[in-house]
Amino acid sequence: EDQVTQSPEALRLQEGESSSLNCSYTVSGLRGLFWYRQDPGKGPEFLFTLYSAGEEKEKERLKATLTKKESFLHITAPKPEDSATYLCAVQVGNNDMRFGAGTRLTVKP
Amino acid sequence: DSGVTQTPKHLITATGQRVTLRCSPRSGDLSVYWYQQSLDQGLQFLIQYYNGEERAKGNILERFSAQQFPDLHSELNLSSLELGDSALYFCASSVAPGGTNIQYFGAGTRLSVL
Repeated sequence: EDQVTQSPEALRLQEGESSSLNCSYTVSGLRGLFWYRQDPGKGPEFLFTLYSAGEEKEKERLKATLTKKESFLHITAPKPEDSATYLCAVQVGNNDMRFGAGTRLTVKP
Repeated sequence: DSGVTQTPKHLITATGQRVTLRCSPRSGDLSVYWYQQSLDQGLQFLIQYYNGEERAKGNILERFSAQQFPDLHSELNLSSLELGDSALYFCASSVAPGGTNIQYFGAGTRLSVL
């Protein structure tokens, strides 16, 4: 069965303390891997799409990488405004998007 | 602002009732997706429409139904509501179905069933 697992469930960092979030997946026919950011009570906000192993994408303090079995979201020198839940999702086949449970990130000043 | 509009933002109703949630996709997007997000289940895919036709079904209950209209807006109908249906309901849209098209999400409708 296709599965997406995110770890850790929650992560608390001090401002400026870099770290990584993990998304591991077991799917057949991966079409793409997506990272979203979700603030409390709001809809997920698109961050990145990765299509093939070895691909990397960056946006401000965030960098996403992809291997054949997992993706990492690296956060460099985070700020309090980076606090949010980060969701990973995989597109399987033509229409099925499977989301992980998310990592709740808190960055303390 | 993602460009996807959902109404209402909040809905409070009683068990056994029926409600309708509305979604207007981004301009130019033909595909609409509905998701349910509850505290213990995360984001669950319910159903997808493309240009008025149902395209894919996820874990959608028989008490729930949806449609997409000629102007591309979509409605999710929830009937015989139960306490467990309380959740955030999100709509997303993309240019075309499947493939690796990015889905853009609305702000959601928070449904409380009392």
